Amino acid sequence: GAGVSQTPSNKVTEKGKYVELRCDPISGHTALYWYRQSLGQGPEFLIYFQGTGAADDSGLPNDRFFAVRPEGSVSTLKIQRTERGDSAVYLCASSLISGNEQYFGPGTRLTVT
Amino acid sequence: SQQGEEDPQALSIQEGENATMNCSYKTSINNLQWYRQNSGRGLVHLILIRSNEREKHSGRLRVTLDTSKKSSSLLITASRAADTASYFCATDGGGSYIPTFGRGTSLIVHP
Repeated sequence: GAGVSQTPSNKVTEKGKYVELRCDPISGHTALYWYRQSLGQGPEFLIYFQGTGAADDSGLPNDRFFAVRPEGSVSTLKIQRTERGDSAVYLCASSLISGNEQYFGPGTRLTVT
Repeated sequence: SQQGEEDPQALSIQEGENATMNCSYKTSINNLQWYRQNSGRGLVHLILIRSNEREKHSGRLRVTLDTSKKSSSLLITASRAADTASYFCATDGGGSYIPTFGRGTSLIVHP
């Protein structure tokens, strides 16, 4: 079956704008994770969903960041009033259940100018 | 904060040689995973080893886990140029199943 997909693959936006990043997990995977990765760093955890609910959002840097997964499948990461420091690759991963291996999408490269 | 830390940060070897990367972590874990990343985009899962396991193999990959030393190693035998990538370890534990990644080891295999 298809792997994890993310759209768009690249997003360039101006400082202060609102962006939405989409993640389509592998069908049947109940756990979904969002990470962001800066150059030369490992992925940094943002938020984790188990089903429809955000089981852990402790990694969200501030209240400009929000994510939803209304039907327990597709998830959208939303960033308000973007700042240049938000520029990074945003990665989504899913796993069959939490504690199992994660399958990553190709990421969305966000550039805030 | 990053739980696992890989060592070395960079490794350069010739094709055919073995490559060993290490991961150290601070707190008790449920699982430790190794991932590969090419060109700064999606990560590919390599091996998951649970806290009650000591060694796992997958093809040319061998992972060991020493919970007493809070460390793991990834061995790639008979390396190929295509193994050139960044390798990350990720640990979860302390009641959380959220993997936390280190900064990675950058491996270059020269043909």
